Amino acid sequence: SQQGEEDPQALSIQEGENATMNCSYKTSINNLQWYRQNSGRGLVHLILIRSNEREKHSGRLRVTLDTSKKSSSLLITASRAADTASYFCATDGSGETSGSRLTFGEGTQLTVNP
Amino acid sequence: ETGVTQTPRHLVMGMTNKKSLKCEQHLGHNAMYWYKQSAKKPLELMFVYSLEERVENNSVPSRFSPECPNSSHLFLHLHTLQPEDSALYLCASSRWLDSYQRDYGYTFGSGTRLTVV
Repeated sequence: SQQGEEDPQALSIQEGENATMNCSYKTSINNLQWYRQNSGRGLVHLILIRSNEREKHSGRLRVTLDTSKKSSSLLITASRAADTASYFCATDGSGETSGSRLTFGEGTQLTVNP
Repeated sequence: ETGVTQTPRHLVMGMTNKKSLKCEQHLGHNAMYWYKQSAKKPLELMFVYSLEERVENNSVPSRFSPECPNSSHLFLHLHTLQPEDSALYLCASSRWLDSYQRDYGYTFGSGTRLTVV
């Protein structure tokens, strides 16, 4: 069953603006990850936040996690045209005692206009 | 290049054909995965291999048959597929770790775009 749901499904902004994408999930997690996919290609890992963390930064990316609301957000600051891509959240369930099995949401299509 | 290589990049096959998708990684990872990405649907986990043993098979039809001969190679053998199997098939690899160590992401290949005619 689908674990993560991203919101919005599509987002169009101007270069230099910030982009915020949200993700909600249903079950307990070990960690939550964000990935980026350029059209029809593989996914690239962006950032991982563990269930005991509330916020994490990596370059222009900021991720927050609220386990009480089972939600996360990805903020991309000072966006660039090259940030145009689909962004997916993925959850690694806490029910697994070993290894991981990522469950992905449907993604947010971000378009950054020059 | 991500370190995970998938071949071929594109594949068109008839419903009676047999073909194989190949995935190769040289990242020292010991877990490999097959995902299916169809239009308008979330990525679907198909198979998980840890230390060359299949640890998960998510109710995938038997016309998909995975093979993991060693920790660096993963295959997906295809046989008598249906048009609805047309999709992007993604391979990924990662470290296989206990829950308290799981703070690494997956590395994905570029995928094989499969069209069944």
